[in-house]
Amino acid sequence: GNSVTQMEGPVTLSEEAFLTINCTYTATGYPSLFWYVQYPGEGLQLLLKATKADDKGSNKGFEATYRKETTSFHLEKGSVQVSDSAVYFCALSGGGADGLTFGKGTHLIIQP
Amino acid sequence: NAGVMQNPRHLVRRRGQEARLRCSPMKGHSHVYWYRQLPEEGLKFMVYLQKENIIDESGMPKERFSAEFPKEGPSILRIQQVVRGDSAAYFCASSRGTLDTEAFFGQGTRLTVV
Repeated sequence: GNSVTQMEGPVTLSEEAFLTINCTYTATGYPSLFWYVQYPGEGLQLLLKATKADDKGSNKGFEATYRKETTSFHLEKGSVQVSDSAVYFCALSGGGADGLTFGKGTHLIIQP
Repeated sequence: NAGVMQNPRHLVRRRGQEARLRCSPMKGHSHVYWYRQLPEEGLKFMVYLQKENIIDESGMPKERFSAEFPKEGPSILRIQQVVRGDSAAYFCASSRGTLDTEAFFGQGTRLTVV
């Protein structure tokens, strides 16, 4: 079956640091890949997505590239802000009826 | 255009009671998904519904849990005879089509069983 593995948290960085949150997946076929962000007390919001190999999703300074050869979709940002503190979830959709498969989430803490 | 609306936001139930969680999808969305988030865990798929039909309930516990999405009104996730292990955040998502299209999540219902 499908699975998503992402780096354990919490990840603590200083403001303006470079961010990488690793995500690898296992899936049959050609899944779509997503990053969602969850701010405290809120639901999940779609941050970015990629639907085919070598696609790059980007939003709010975050980027992730769909790497089929390494089955990865690492999230990066060049300069983080305190307001980026949240939990980040990597997810995939096989396009079937069983919804999204999520990783366990990575708690990101940005210190001023 | 209102987003996905879930209510209540917080629900406290005693062991053995019933919990009803409601989800109104975004306007124009006919696909609804329910997920459960346990503390320190990711989201786990529970059930996928379209209007009046359960498409996939492979993530639902076999007993005490049920879901519906009637022709009129919100989708309901019902948990009978709740136990402490049911304490979690329950999220609903809706989309126009399958989840290759963007899914929008509600703010969740946090169920606490005491």
